[in-house]
Amino acid sequence: AQTVTQSQPEMSVQEAETVTLSCTYDTSESDYYLFWYKQPPSRQMILVIRQEAYKQQNATENRFSVNFQKAAKSFSLKISDSQLGDAAMYFCAYRTTQGGSEKLVFGKGTKLTVNP
Amino acid sequence: GAGVSQSPSNKVTEKGKDVELRCDPISGHTALYWYRQSLGQGLEFLIYFQGNSAPDKSGLPSDRFSAERTGGSVSTLTIQRTQQEDSAVYLCASSVTGLETQYFGPGTRLLVL
Repeated sequence: AQTVTQSQPEMSVQEAETVTLSCTYDTSESDYYLFWYKQPPSRQMILVIRQEAYKQQNATENRFSVNFQKAAKSFSLKISDSQLGDAAMYFCAYRTTQGGSEKLVFGKGTKLTVNP
Repeated sequence: GAGVSQSPSNKVTEKGKDVELRCDPISGHTALYWYRQSLGQGLEFLIYFQGNSAPDKSGLPSDRFSAERTGGSVSTLTIQRTQQEDSAVYLCASSVTGLETQYFGPGTRLLVL
């Protein structure tokens, strides 16, 4: 079964600085998708960025970028120029289609605090 | 609609009562998912609907949980004889067939007293 591990329960960063959130996963599939979701106190899960495993190029969305290392099964999220609004829980997720179904497998999350 | 909507936003119930949670997916999305988010277990998959196919119910934790999707759109998650361990946030998501991104609703926070 696929598993997703986020080893940092909490992280903090100074406003305008850069922070990297770690994520590793375990799978026997060769083609898959990875996601980072943000969950502020409002509970709404918001897609931050996604990465297709067949693409070697790392995904980028404005201040958010990933470092995808397929062989190492690592998928870290880098937030540049951190803003107060970036404070939230961040979840790494793996999309599996094993068994003909489809679902996301989530890590336990990293709580990001942004200090002014 | 603009996004996935869920109702109620919060629900408080007594142990042993039945509850129904509703999800309205994004218009045109044929896939619909339910997840549960609890302090102890994190985010867990519950059930997946895709068009008219039989749903994948492999994540439902017990036979007290059931879900249906009427007309390929709105879905209802029903929990019978609620227990205190059912207290959690229930999240619904939808996606377009063939595209892999799931879009989430704001969730329903369920508290069983």
